[in-house]
Parts: sequence; structure tokens; C-alpha cells
Amino acid sequence: LAKTTQPISMDSYEGQEVNITCSHNNIATNDYITWYQQFPSQGPRFIIQGYKTKVTNEVASLFIPADRKSSTLSLPRVSLSDTAVYYCLVGGIYGGATNKLIFGTGTLLAVQP
Amino acid sequence: EADIYQTPRYLVIGTGKKITLECSQTMGHDKMYWYQQDPGMELHLIHYSYGVNSTEKGDLSSESTVSRIRTEHFPLTLESARPSHTSQYLCASSDHRGPYEQYFGPGTRLTVT
Repeated sequence: LAKTTQPISMDSYEGQEVNITCSHNNIATNDYITWYQQFPSQGPRFIIQGYKTKVTNEVASLFIPADRKSSTLSLPRVSLSDTAVYYCLVGGIYGGATNKLIFGTGTLLAVQP
Repeated sequence: EADIYQTPRYLVIGTGKKITLECSQTMGHDKMYWYQQDPGMELHLIHYSYGVNSTEKGDLSSESTVSRIRTEHFPLTLESARPSHTSQYLCASSDHRGPYEQYFGPGTRLTVT
């Protein structure tokens, strides 16, 4: 199983760029890497997903090195509303295969004024 | 915004009662999931479904059961609730094109007294 490891918490200030790294040494060939954001008392919300190299959307970038044993979520110019728990998810379900979905422990990002 | 609903949002119930947590989605997604999350802890997959009449157990053993008779509906049942079942239960869905931007519902906070 592709277990993931993330920092438990990170602090930042408004306007800064934040990079959160997730380690997944046992990632399988068919696994994708997905990041979610979760606010208290809410379900997680999809941020970004990638397989290799770099992916960018309107809210974040995801950097994945060639060996795919880690990934880095980059949030540009964070604001107070970005204070949340960020989860790294590796794996998936393919046809009949049960490649189980593994959420990381999550990183609590605290953005201060 | 994703159209996935969970009811009830909060439930306090006595030991030994049978309960059903409802989850419905209007996106026509084939895949649906149930996660369990204790406060401040990571999400654990307890059940998932590829489609109608298809259900599988996740990586966390659970005494709950699920059914998938209709595409849009994925209820979770506990035949006899116990205090150890106290947790937040999150339902999610994704479409057939893996992987998986999962859309999460708001969750059901269950307390068994």
C-alpha cells in the first residue's frame, strides 16, 4: 500500500507562497496523486491531481519528480481563508482491482495576517 | 458545487439502535465511497461501490454495511450502534473516468451514547 507522509502542521503569512510536500515511497505504477482541502465540519474538496511532472490549475500547482516518490503542493499567495487541513491522496480503483485509496495524515496550514 | 447530500447532518442515538445514514448524488456518478473520520484524524475508506449492485470493503474494517440499488443512492447501515461507532461519516462520489476527483458530502456526525 502506498502510505503517505506529510508534515503535521505549517505556518504562513498572508501573501506568501506555501509548499507542502508529501512522501509516498511505495507509489504504484498506476497510482495518481491527488490533493484535497478540508475545512472544519466539512467534507474534503478537490484541489489538484497529477501523475508526473507538473500540473497547474487556477488555485494551485503540483510538482512531481521523475521517481514519483514525493509530490509538492504549491499554493501561491495564500490568504486567511486558505487555513485548512490539506490531504495528499495516492492510489485509486481501476476496474476490478482494489488498489485502496490512502489518505495521508493531513497538514494543518495556519495562515496569519 | 457538487450535488451530493447526506442526512442527517447530526445524529445522537442510544446503544443498540439500528441506524441508516443516507447519501445521495445527482451527478450520475458510477463510483461512491464511505469514509470514517475521527476529530483531527485522517480519513479512512470503509466502503466503496463501482456501480449498482457492486460494493466492496475499504481499508478500515467496519461493522457497517452498505447497499447500492440505485446509482444515485448509497446508504450505510449500522444494525446495532455502539459508542465505538461515534465518528464522522463522509460520503463521496466520482465518475467512471478514473481517477478520481471525488466530490464529498457535508458528512454525518454520529454520536452513540
